[in-house]
Amino acid sequence: AQSVTQLGSHVSVSEGALVLLRCNYSSSVPPYLFWYVQYPNQGLQLLLKYTTGATLVKGINGFEAEFKKSETSFHLTKPSAHMSDAAEYFCAVSVGNQGGKLIFGQGTELSVKP
Amino acid sequence: ETGVTQSPTHLIKTRGQQVTLRCSSQSGHNTVSWYQQALGQGPQFIFQYYREEENGRGNFPPRFSGLQFPNYSSELNVNALELDDSALYLCASSKQGAPNEKLFFGSGTQLSVL
Repeated sequence: AQSVTQLGSHVSVSEGALVLLRCNYSSSVPPYLFWYVQYPNQGLQLLLKYTTGATLVKGINGFEAEFKKSETSFHLTKPSAHMSDAAEYFCAVSVGNQGGKLIFGQGTELSVKP
Repeated sequence: ETGVTQSPTHLIKTRGQQVTLRCSSQSGHNTVSWYQQALGQGPQFIFQYYREEENGRGNFPPRFSGLQFPNYSSELNVNALELDDSALYLCASSKQGAPNEKLFFGSGTQLSVL
């Protein structure tokens, strides 16, 4: 069965600092992995996804993530945080061959200090 | 901003009542998935509809039911409401239901059960 663990429910960084949000997954089949962002009072928006191929995936707003099979990880990074990055971030894994069914982690709230 | 719209945005019900939530999917999408997001948690998959048929269900009791209409809009019905049903209910649409597809989320319906 698939599962997702996000390490750290709250992460706080200074503006301009590196953002690192951690995600580990468990999957019995090659996973499809996603990062979604949720701003207050809004739905989720896709940041990036890994399906097959290149393990370093670039997304919107300067975010990227690297799929590491040996570590079962898919950590999200951004070199320089901006105030507008403050939001809730969710890592998710797709279940088997069924689209639309994602297992989400608990989420990590990112705060950005001026 | 996505083309997925949900109504109502907020709803207050009492225990034991029934509720219907509505979702209009993005143009060209034939798959709708529903998620429940409790406070401080990641979204949990309820079920998915593909071309008007239920196409997968998460760990939710039968009092959670749904419909999809010929125009691919969808409803989520919850009977015999319980206090623990208080949550943000998210609808997401996708083109074909493939596992590597991007989901487009609505802003959700915030349900409070008193």
